Amino acid sequence: QKEVEQNSGPLSVPEGAIASLNCTYSDRGSQSFFWYRQYSGKSPELIMSIYSNGDKEDGRFTAQLNKASQYVSLLIRDSQPSDSATYLCAVNRLNDHTDKLIFGTGTRLQVFP
Amino acid sequence: DAGVTQSPTHLIKTRGQHVTLRCSPISGHKSVSWYQQVLGQGPQFIFQYYEKEERGRGNFPDRFSARQFPNYSSELNVNALLLGDSALYLCASSLEVNEQFFGPGTRLTVL
Repeated sequence: QKEVEQNSGPLSVPEGAIASLNCTYSDRGSQSFFWYRQYSGKSPELIMSIYSNGDKEDGRFTAQLNKASQYVSLLIRDSQPSDSATYLCAVNRLNDHTDKLIFGTGTRLQVFP
Repeated sequence: DAGVTQSPTHLIKTRGQHVTLRCSPISGHKSVSWYQQVLGQGPQFIFQYYEKEERGRGNFPDRFSARQFPNYSSELNVNALLLGDSALYLCASSLEVNEQFFGPGTRLTVL
């Protein structure tokens, strides 16, 4: 079992729709959760962080965390073609003072006009 | 404010050679982490440094080493390059813990 799992996609949604990206993790001791956006040929860009159960909204983005189910998701409202990218879920394992991120393989999102 | 900077942006080496990659964190950030990303995969943790001390090491061979300088910049060194070392090498900086911000990366090609 991978530590962080994501569906590789592609997830195709029409412009203006809601895109829903999902991620599960295996380590119940995980404390912090992040979503990064990565355009082709570029480096990951942090778009959302979430630390406690529930929803966190930032503009068109909403992150949802359910620690009991070991599940974190990202909703993108009013999707735009410029949102087309790979979305990486990352989990922080603070272990022996090492603050390392464990990444999933990413979900490729395609938003078509 | 300037973000994380990395140099060089691209590098081509041959098997057996040595490479040094450099990173400057966001001003005020004391922690630097290095990650390797191969095509189609998420970044894999290599090292983390905080206040010039190694805080953690990922599952990489001893050919990989790093250090952090008093100004918090960092170097990643890879010896005896293998074809499989071809990847995007990412540096991330953070204030202390949690949110990590990535630089543009160094794309290394080993021939």
